[in-house]
Amino acid sequence: QKEVEQDPGPLSVPEGAIVSLNCTYSNSAFQYFMWYRQYSRKGPELLMYTYSSGNKEDGRFTAQVDKSSKYISLFIRDSQPSDSATYLCAVAGGTSYGKLTFGQGTILTVHP
Amino acid sequence: GAVVSQHPSWVICKSGTSVKIECRSLDFQATTMFWYRQFPKQSLMLMATSNEGSKATYEQGVEKDKFLINHASLTLSTLTVTSAHPEDSSFYICSAPRGQETQYFGPGTRLLVL
Repeated sequence: QKEVEQDPGPLSVPEGAIVSLNCTYSNSAFQYFMWYRQYSRKGPELLMYTYSSGNKEDGRFTAQVDKSSKYISLFIRDSQPSDSATYLCAVAGGTSYGKLTFGQGTILTVHP
Repeated sequence: GAVVSQHPSWVICKSGTSVKIECRSLDFQATTMFWYRQFPKQSLMLMATSNEGSKATYEQGVEKDKFLINHASLTLSTLTVTSAHPEDSSFYICSAPRGQETQYFGPGTRLLVL
């Protein structure tokens, strides 16, 4: 079993739709949860960062963490074609300071 | 703006040659940096942890004699792919933690070995 599971998609939605991206993880020691966006042939860009359970909102993006079910989500409201990218969830914590464990990434396409 | 830079952004080399990739933190110090490799349509795979002033820590299955890492200063880590072969062709990305558990990634280096 992989430490972080993420549906690779691809996911295709019309412009303006609400997008829901999800990951599950297996190690309860993880305490830090991140979402990265990666455009083709570019390095990942940090979108959202949360610590422990709860919600965090930043503009059109909302990150949600439920530690009891080991489930993390990213919601994108009013999706735009410029949101088309690969979205990677990442977790960290426990004894491995700074080491991130990534999900497989979800390829998102928002079409006009 | 970018907080982590990489150089070069892409490189083509002949099989058997060595290639050095630099990773710099631009406005902060990083005692630890991380090197990842990413194949097309796959996620990032951690190769090694670069530690300033000490040896790098390699992930299982990564050959330390092939992928030499030197953390020369608090803002610079280098990855040298020695005796590169076509199967080493990949996208190499570094990252540096800034603050607690938040990491910033470089723009990546695309390596093509002919």
